[in-house]
Amino acid sequence: GAGVSQSPSNKVTEKGKDVELRCDPISGHTALYWYRQSLGQGLEFLIYFQGNSAPDKSGLPSDRFSAERTGGSVSTLTIQRTQQEDSAVYLCASREPSTYEQYFGPGTRLTVT
Amino acid sequence: AQSVSQHNHHVILSEAASLELGCNYSYGGTVNLFWYVQYPGQHLQLLLKYFSGDPLVKGIKGFEAEFIKSKFSFNLRKPSVQWSDTAEYFCAVNAWRGSTLGRLYFGRGTQLTVWP
Repeated sequence: GAGVSQSPSNKVTEKGKDVELRCDPISGHTALYWYRQSLGQGLEFLIYFQGNSAPDKSGLPSDRFSAERTGGSVSTLTIQRTQQEDSAVYLCASREPSTYEQYFGPGTRLTVT
Repeated sequence: AQSVSQHNHHVILSEAASLELGCNYSYGGTVNLFWYVQYPGQHLQLLLKYFSGDPLVKGIKGFEAEFIKSKFSFNLRKPSVQWSDTAEYFCAVNAWRGSTLGRLYFGRGTQLTVWP
């Protein structure tokens, strides 16, 4: 079946612009995660959605970052007034409800110029 | 707060050498443990996992890991590495709080380079 998909695959934006990154999780996966992967920094947790519960936003680095998940499926990560330090690969993952395995998407490579 | 420590940032081995990558976590309750691998230019993918039962778990491509609860460790091993094992390896922990499974905590990753 289809895996986690993310769009766009690459995004180049100018400093100060807003960007939206999209994640389509695997159907039936109620938990969805956003991470950021920077060179040499490993995986940085951003936000976690679990069903209808309030999201765990503890990883969002600033109030310029926000995310929503509509209808328990598609999620959008929004970065306002982008800065050069926001340049990274943004990864989305959804979790299989019975095995608890996380399946990762291919990521969106964001470059802020 | 929870944390996951991977002791080695970069490991360089020759083919056929044995591998052990360390992983320790800081949570005293029930956990699910994972190792993920990211080959160059590819997605993160699951290598193996431990939820309960036999603390020695086997994964894909000849990898195994041992959960030692008393040491809060989940080290990854492979008896004989291949050039194709060159990748970045991430240890991850999911903690149960009551009946709720929280977020996944990742270590910083270990880059494994295998020379042919």
